[in-house]
Order: sequence, then C-alpha cells, then structure tokens
Amino acid sequence: GENVEQHPSTLSVQEGDSAVIKCTYSDSASNYFPWYKQELGKRPQLIIDIRSNVGEKKDQRIAVTLNKTAKHFSLHITETQPEDSAVYFCAASISRNDYKLSFGAGTTVTVRA
Amino acid sequence: KAGVTQTPRYLIKTRGQQVTLSCSPISGHRSVSWYQQTPGQGLQFLFEYFSETQRNKGNFPGRFSGRQFSNSRSEMNVSTLELGDSALYLCASSLSGFNTEAFFGQGTRLTVV
Repeated sequence: GENVEQHPSTLSVQEGDSAVIKCTYSDSASNYFPWYKQELGKRPQLIIDIRSNVGEKKDQRIAVTLNKTAKHFSLHITETQPEDSAVYFCAASISRNDYKLSFGAGTTVTVRA
Repeated sequence: KAGVTQTPRYLIKTRGQQVTLSCSPISGHRSVSWYQQTPGQGLQFLFEYFSETQRNKGNFPGRFSGRQFSNSRSEMNVSTLELGDSALYLCASSLSGFNTEAFFGQGTRLTVV
C-alpha cells in the first residue's frame, strides 16, 4: 500500500518567518495530495490540496509544490503568524480504486512571537 | 450546511467490552471513512463505505467493523476492547471517496480502562 513519510516531526519558527514541511510518497499512482491542519482539540481541516496534473498551487500565505518524478510534495507557509501553530498532516490518495487517504505522521508547528 | 457529526464525543469503556460509534456525514456525501488517531501513529485508515458497501479496509483486526445505512450514516463497532484501542476515532465524509475534499468530524475520544 501507499506509504507517506513526513518531515520534520516538529518545527519551531519565529513569527514572520517561513515554514516548510516535506512529504514523500511511495506509489507513483498517487494523484491527490491534500494538507490538513489540526489545532489542539479540534478536527483536521483541509487547508490546501493539489492534484498530480499540477506542479504548484498557492492560496494567500500557503503554497504546495509537487514533484512527481521524485515523488515528494511540500507545504510552504510564508509570513507565519501565531495562529499557524498547529499540527499539519500531509496525505496521498492512490487511485480511484483505493478510496482512502494515507497520512503522514504529522508536523507540530510552533510559531514564536 | 451542517458538518460531519460524530457521537458520542467521549467514551470510557472497560477491557473486554464492545463499543459502537456513530457518524453522520454532510448531506449529499455518500462516502464515509473512519480513521484512528493516536499520538504515535498519526491517522490510520480503518475502512471506507460508499452506498452501504465497504470498498476498502485498513490493517486492523477483525474486532473492528463498520457499516453504512441507506441515509449514508455510518457506525463502527469495536468488540473485545483492549487498552491499545484507546484513541481518537475520526470519521470523514466526501462526495465520492477519492480525489475530493474529505471533511472530518470532531471525533470520538475512546478510553479503555
């Protein structure tokens, strides 16, 4: 099955700096890559996603890049703010016959004021 | 529209007992997935249902089972509870189950004592 690795497991950044989280996946058939943010005690919520026919996608301070050849994708958060502190999960979905998301282990991001 | 609703929010059970968790998806969503979230393992896929049919199952023992009703509501059952089953159980609904945004419920926090 699909295996998703996520690094780093923890990330501490100064407010205003950028944060980058990287994920690699094992199955080249993966074609959907969402990122979820989970604040303490709350449900995971989708913040951005990318499909395999796109190399990069941006939404305000958040961007995701995908390298299909290397089988890795990354989340970039610019101008970090205290409210960006949370656990971030990457995920990959293999193909239309798999019907599941395989998640990375998560990255705990702390933004220092 | 209403989000994904999980009940109950918290449960405390004794080893050997069984438990049933419920998930009501967003109206119009026919796919419901279940995940187990633990601090060390992240989100682990349990199973996915679409139109009352289980389309995929994760690597969990047979003590974990589920079903989906004609109104898309889903239940999962864990029999003969073990201490290691203590976790946050999350369900997610989506339109089709692949390549589309999955919306998570708040989860059910199960503690086995």
